[in-house]
Amino acid sequence: EPEVTQTPSHQVTQMGQEVILRCVPISNHLYFYWYRQILGQKVEFLVSFYNNEISEKSEIFDDQFSVERPDGSNFTLKIRSTKLEDSAMYFCASNGGASTGELFFGEGSRLTVL
Amino acid sequence: AQTVTQSQPEMSVQEAETVTLSCTYDTSENNYYLFWYKQPPSRQMILVIRQEAYKQQNATENRFSVNFQKAAKSFSLKISDSQLGDTAMYFCAFMKGPYNAGNMLTFGGGTRLMVKP
Repeated sequence: EPEVTQTPSHQVTQMGQEVILRCVPISNHLYFYWYRQILGQKVEFLVSFYNNEISEKSEIFDDQFSVERPDGSNFTLKIRSTKLEDSAMYFCASNGGASTGELFFGEGSRLTVL
Repeated sequence: AQTVTQSQPEMSVQEAETVTLSCTYDTSENNYYLFWYKQPPSRQMILVIRQEAYKQQNATENRFSVNFQKAAKSFSLKISDSQLGDTAMYFCAFMKGPYNAGNMLTFGGGTRLMVKP
């Protein structure tokens, strides 16, 4: 069964460093998303992406964040200069555009900023 | 802005019994969608069940059903004949309408359910 895959599963970085989290959505899906969950808190929406542009973004998704679909398969989240508060589990998801609204999530990438 | 509240951080149930997970939400929207997602330990979140706000009939999917009370802004999940594989974190989520796949989901804080043998 097709799955959304994310790499790395865990990344440790120093404050101020750039981080790129990678996702491979399900191949025929059209909509892509990033969500994050800070430990002990709610899962929060960051951004949705369709047709090579951002559809919607939250207040969290400031200039430090960017997304890109560099080729036909990958969807990346870049954090330019990481802060301690960026430590979280980052979930990628995709959707084929069906009206069911079902998102298919990856297992997440845990980012630890020291 | 929408908020979703799950008041039960943890619950447990004996195998084969029935359990109900609570969810309330706050919105000024009239057109929206509600979801329950399940996240088993170390696995992806998967959709359990979905409800359109304009539908009065409660959604059901096999052993999973919802009690959707629009006026009360309540959306509880009932799991019948609980199985060990139902052990997971359950998230209630809200999406405002009209439906657009790019719309964000607003999640509740989750309920950790443990099914005991």
